[in-house]
Amino acid sequence: DSGVTQTPKHLITATGQRVTLRCSPRSGDLSVYWYQQSLDQGLQFLIHYYNGEERAKGNILERFSAQQFPDLHSELNLSSLELGDSALYFCASSVAASATNEKLFFGSGTQLSVL
Amino acid sequence: EDQVTQSPEALRLQEGESSSLNCSYTVSGLRGLFWYRQDPGKGPEFLFTLYSAGEEKEKERLKATLTKKESFLHITAPKPEDSATYLCAVQAGGGSYIPTFGRGTSLIVHP
Repeated sequence: DSGVTQTPKHLITATGQRVTLRCSPRSGDLSVYWYQQSLDQGLQFLIHYYNGEERAKGNILERFSAQQFPDLHSELNLSSLELGDSALYFCASSVAASATNEKLFFGSGTQLSVL
Repeated sequence: EDQVTQSPEALRLQEGESSSLNCSYTVSGLRGLFWYRQDPGKGPEFLFTLYSAGEEKEKERLKATLTKKESFLHITAPKPEDSATYLCAVQAGGGSYIPTFGRGTSLIVHP
């Protein structure tokens, strides 16, 4: 158990809908990273938050947004969903502001299926 | 742009049959190379970090090595419980600290 909690584990929804994925980092970790994993793209970085502030953005679509709350949990909001958004979404946490030479602790992921 | 290529995509071994997984990378100034293990339905789990060419790290039946262009994950006398997808990630120097992941090697070890 990595100590990172993601909910829900599975999510099935329809095109055009909006969903929210939740992540609670390990106790003491201030950084939360969101990744998308699909069979054809591998693990793709979406966004990083440190202590409530956005620190880095990757290949995140404009339809997607995220935030980190004062209690350090994070939410990833996906709207106007398309079939191609079906994927595994992981969050990872670490202690520091940047992942420099630091291992990431991953949650078990949320499997999103858009029908 | 940082690139990470892992080979082979899939590997099937018999229990006890040693082999190596490859991770080739192109990055401007390597800050660190990471190996993770991912089991089905779970998130990646950290294995090793390598920082400079010539460095080696070991954990049970796994040994990771690093050169200036690639890293190898050697698996000695594997067991069925070593079956998993192994991911390699590189972290570049400079301003970007976000690790870039390869697509992984899916390893199946048959008893």
